[in-house]
This record gives sequence, structure tokens and C-alpha cells, in this order.
Amino acid sequence: GQQLNQSPQSMFIQEGEDVSMNCTSSSIFNTWLWYKQDPGEGPVLLIALYKAGELTSNGRLTAQFGITRKDSFLNISASIPSDVGIYFCAGQLRGAGNMLTFGGGTRLMVKP
Amino acid sequence: GAVVSQHPSWVICKSGTSVKIECRSLDFQATTMFWYRQFPKQSLMLMATSNEGSKATYEQGVEKDKFLINHASLTLSTLTVTSAHPEDSSFYICSARDLVSYEQYFGPGTRLTVT
Repeated sequence: GQQLNQSPQSMFIQEGEDVSMNCTSSSIFNTWLWYKQDPGEGPVLLIALYKAGELTSNGRLTAQFGITRKDSFLNISASIPSDVGIYFCAGQLRGAGNMLTFGGGTRLMVKP
Repeated sequence: GAVVSQHPSWVICKSGTSVKIECRSLDFQATTMFWYRQFPKQSLMLMATSNEGSKATYEQGVEKDKFLINHASLTLSTLTVTSAHPEDSSFYICSARDLVSYEQYFGPGTRLTVT
């Protein structure tokens, strides 16, 4: 199936650093979602964005829905070891079966 | 929060046998459930959309006779991998869409290993 372009593919950072990752698409979505997946687990929803330009925070996480509706970014501030995992963006076009299109994932590694 | 369970969490089977994976929405009803497959270090790929009371919709390239889906109730969908082969070894994840809120919740996944 179609995938979104998510970057970077992986990041290895020092604890306390800020992290930024983004997703871009050639087509528009009316919902952007960010998930975290721990090894051997299913994805867990972190942030949902429903409106172009929307900026939403969840603790140390901040995500924005791009104005063009074709991109989104996720920032993690002051990273901690438990932030380790794979982060996926997903775009959704409500009404078109409401199916999710996933990005390729960003593998985050945090060095204590 | 809404919970989706999967059973089993992992399974090992021999080539040629069939394996059934269950996906249940525990505290909400779902007319639609989705089945994904995830290979190591890759993203989730949608296999099929499971619709309660009707036939599943399969994505291009997914064999419906090999991956049988049954969505017999508003809280249960099953995926049966028939005549499994080693290349079917993967992490299978379901998600369920709350029929009231339309939010989609993911299960914890099932790791299938075919020997």
C-alpha cells in the first residue's frame, strides 16, 4: 500500500536532547496521527490532529498539522530513555473508508 | 481507554498448517476492524478491512483464500492464515474502529513464526 515519507528513518540522541521528525505526502489528509510502537507491541496513539495548522501538545510531545494538509511534524522535548521506540505518522482521509496510511517509521534511540 | 486484545500473542506452527488469530474490542463495539502485517524494521501494511456481517475487503496483492477473515460480531474479528508457509512469518496487528467515536484502536499484535 501507499506510504507516507517519514524522516529521519532513525535517530540516536543523548538523553535530554530535543527530537524532531516529520512526514510528508503527495496527497492531502484531513487527519494526522502520531503513534509510538515499542518492540513486540502494537502502536499506541500519541497525538491526533484534525485541522490544518493545528498545533497540539501532549506532555513533552508537540505535533503540528501542516497548512497544506500534506505534512506533519512531531517534536519531543528533553528526551528520556523511555522515549526509545519506533514512531509512526499516519494520515487519514475521513470518509474514504477512514483507512490509515502509515509512514515508514522513525526509530529513536536515546543514550542515557 | 478503549482496549483491543489479540490472541494468541505469539504462535509457532509448521508449514502447511492453519493458524487463527483473534481480535477483540473489549469495551466498545466495532463494525469495522483492520488487519495489518508488519515485517521486521518495516511499517504496518494494511491487509484487509473486516466488516461485521459482510465480506472483508482485501488490499491488492493479499490472497483472500489464504487469509480468511470472519467478523461475526461487533467485538470479534478473526484472521486465519491457511496453509502457512515460512514467508507468512510476521507480526500481525489488528485495529478496531469504535462505531460511536470512529476512533481506531490497535491491538498488541500477534507474532507468527512458521517453521
